[in-house]
Formats: sequence, C-alpha cells, structure tokens
Amino acid sequence: EAGVAQSPRYKIIEKRQSVAFWCNPISGHATLYWYQQILGQGPKLLIQFQNNGVVDDSQLPKDRFSAERLKGVDSTLKIQPAKLEDSAVYLCASSGIKGERNGELFFGEGSRLTVL
Amino acid sequence: LAKTTQPISMDSYEGQEVNITCSHNNIATNDYITWYQQFPSQGPRFIIQGYKTKVTNEVASLFIPADRKSSTLSLPRVSLSDTAVYYCLVVLGSFQKLVFGTGTRLLVSP
Repeated sequence: EAGVAQSPRYKIIEKRQSVAFWCNPISGHATLYWYQQILGQGPKLLIQFQNNGVVDDSQLPKDRFSAERLKGVDSTLKIQPAKLEDSAVYLCASSGIKGERNGELFFGEGSRLTVL
Repeated sequence: LAKTTQPISMDSYEGQEVNITCSHNNIATNDYITWYQQFPSQGPRFIIQGYKTKVTNEVASLFIPADRKSSTLSLPRVSLSDTAVYYCLVVLGSFQKLVFGTGTRLLVSP
C-alpha cells in the first residue's frame, strides 16, 4: 500500500515570496491533515479536512496560508507571502480508520521550508 | 481537548524497559489515548492507542488506570533504534482531531 506522498521535500525561498506544497493521501482516506512542525517542537495542526470539507482550520494563519482539497483526494497548502517564522517542516497526514484506532494517522515525510 | 503533560526527556540503556508517563487530567468520556513515535526528518508514526486498562501490541504496551487521568507507555528492552521523540495525545472519539504536545525525547545509549 502506497503511503502519503508529499512534494517538494525541500524548498528555499526569500521572505515575501510564495510557496505551495502538495499532498496525496493514502487511497480511500477521507480525513486529511496539514501540520506545521518547527524545529524542536511538536507538530501543530493547521487544517483538517473531511473529504473536501474543512473540519478545523482554527490555527491556520488565514492572512497568508490557504489550503484546499479538490475532489476530496489530494491537497495543496499555500503560503503567500512567506515570513521568516514560516520556516518549518510541513507534514501531511491522512486517516481512514474509525473505532478503536481512530487516532492512527499516516504521515508523509514532510516538506521542509526555509525562508531567508 | 484535554491537555497532556509528559517529561521533556528520558535516558535509558539498551535492553532496559522504558516507561513514559503522561498526564491528561481533563480527559473526556469519549477520548482515546494515543502514542506516536518520531525519528528525525520523518513524520510521526502511530505506536498504540487505548481507552482503558491495558493494551499491548508487538511494539509496546499502554497502561491506563481506572480514572484515565494518566497513561504509561512501556517499551520493553529498548535498543539504540528506539531513540526518538514520543508523543502522548488525547483523541476526541468521533472527531479525530489530534493535538501534539512537545513530546518526550528518549535517548538510548549502549
């Protein structure tokens, strides 16, 4: 079974530029998450989708971050314009499990963003 | 969501059993307790999940007392490859929202 695919793996941009990250979840997984992980910290939930609808985006900085999940499958996270503090790893995860393993998310390898 | 508290770091030696305790005083009736492992430059990986008493799989055991205000992840006979950050999370039963804390950094030495 293919895992969660993310691209690009690495991206370096200047501040005020824009960047986009792509995620393809495990086939059939209805729930998709984007997390931001700053070095030395735990992952921070940015947005959670259920199919193509947003379940939670309370911690998404909406003045600069946007995310969409077209057709309830793959997803794109965009940052425009980027700030220095956006330097982090952006993790995508998906889940299709209910019941006693409903906390089992499958994470991609992440996209490491460096803003100069 | 219930907040979790766990030690920032722990040290152990190969072959020892490691127990990492997490407190979650405000856990709700429908919440599950979940643990993840994260290696450098990788996404977190699910280890185990439980609701009450004891759960065991091929990797670890999870002990949850009756009041469910804490839980203990037990790693039997750790090896160097178990050096990682371990996160304790409380998962709302039907919502599948996972909030990570700062985790416990486990260092296993020879």
